[in-house]
Amino acid sequence: SQQGEEDPQALSIQEGENATMNCSYKTSINNLQWYRQNSGRGLVHLILIRSNEREKHSGRLRVTLDTSKKSSSLLITASRAADTASYFCALQGGSARQLTFGSGTQLTVLP
Amino acid sequence: ETGVTQTPRHLVMGMTNKKSLKCEQHLGHNAMYWYKQSAKKPLELMFVYSLEERVENNSVPSRFSPECPNSSHLFLHLHTLQPEDSALYLCASSPQPGGETQYFGPGTRLLVL
Repeated sequence: SQQGEEDPQALSIQEGENATMNCSYKTSINNLQWYRQNSGRGLVHLILIRSNEREKHSGRLRVTLDTSKKSSSLLITASRAADTASYFCALQGGSARQLTFGSGTQLTVLP
Repeated sequence: ETGVTQTPRHLVMGMTNKKSLKCEQHLGHNAMYWYKQSAKKPLELMFVYSLEERVENNSVPSRFSPECPNSSHLFLHLHTLQPEDSALYLCASSPQPGGETQYFGPGTRLLVL
């Protein structure tokens, strides 16, 4: 299984602070994606980083990928209360055409 | 709004009931997926359909029966479920099977009594 593992499981910060979440995995990947899920709702795709990329930005999001360490991080800068959600990494790679998701990081941003 | 809709949003059923979950995508995608999300567990992929043909079935019990009548609609027929089947059932679509980005519906929260 090439399921990613997010760390930490839960994170609580004050509005305006930065939030960093990590994802580690064990097998080779073609790409790694981050998704967001508000409580009891569907997942929303945030950003995709390919195995030959090291860093990517989208608005207040910054994703890094270190294939030698088999890890990725998602940084949310200047967090807002509306960023409160669960964040999942999803892996796609090798011969598998499926996405496999981790258990997620629950982020709480306090106003 | 991701272009993927699911109905009903909430469902309570007894173990002897038969019910169906419906998913519709308005994105012109060729692949559709059913996932199960239980508390504190990773998303579990249940079924993958490509152009109405089932291409993946991840050892899902036969009490879950998918149906894909066309590339825009996906159903999950439920019968004689168990309480442990209570979960959020998510539908997703992508342009092609194994497509890089998946677009999710809001989910159906299922409670089996």
